[in-house]
Amino acid sequence: AQTVTQSQPEMSVQEAETVTLSCTYDTSESDYYLFWYKQPPSRQMILVIRQEAYKQQNATENRFSVNFQKAAKSFSLKISDSQLGDAAMYFCAYRRNTGNQFYFGTGTSLTVIP
Amino acid sequence: DVKVTQSSRYLVKRTGEKVFLECVQDMDHENMFWYRQDPGLGLRLIYFSYDVKMKEKGDIPEGYSVSREKKERFSLILESASTNQTSMYLCASSLWRGPGEQFFGPGTRLTVL
Repeated sequence: AQTVTQSQPEMSVQEAETVTLSCTYDTSESDYYLFWYKQPPSRQMILVIRQEAYKQQNATENRFSVNFQKAAKSFSLKISDSQLGDAAMYFCAYRRNTGNQFYFGTGTSLTVIP
Repeated sequence: DVKVTQSSRYLVKRTGEKVFLECVQDMDHENMFWYRQDPGLGLRLIYFSYDVKMKEKGDIPEGYSVSREKKERFSLILESASTNQTSMYLCASSLWRGPGEQFFGPGTRLTVL
């Protein structure tokens, strides 16, 4: 069974600083996708970034980047130049290539300190 | 932009009532999902559907049923609501091909008294 673990229930970061959120997953598959989603307080969940397991290059979207370590089954999210609007719950998710189902971690609540 | 809408943002029901939560997506996605979100537990899959009239149980289907009569609409039904079904319910949709990232609705916060 696939499991996704986020070991940091809460994190905080000073505005303009960098923070890294951790995620590990367990799978026997070789072809899959990994995602980070953001859920701001009382707002809709949105996709932040996506990584295909077959790609060695780490995905980047503006201030958001990932550190994908396939052998270690680790998928961390780095947020650079943190902004107040980055405050949210962040969920890591896994989907194997041949399935429809997503597996989500329990989330990390990020606070941005002005 | 993909839009996923849910029929209610907040809902208050009584124990034993039949409750319908509706979800509509406008991007012709094959897959649709219902999750419940509880603090510390993340998102747990209740049911998903990969085609009209097709459904599969997720991790916590007990006490719930679903209906998908049209491709764009996926309904979650609580046959007899109970207090332990008080939660945030999220609907999502995705394409079956490619990365298949899920697009979420705004959620329905259901309180069962």
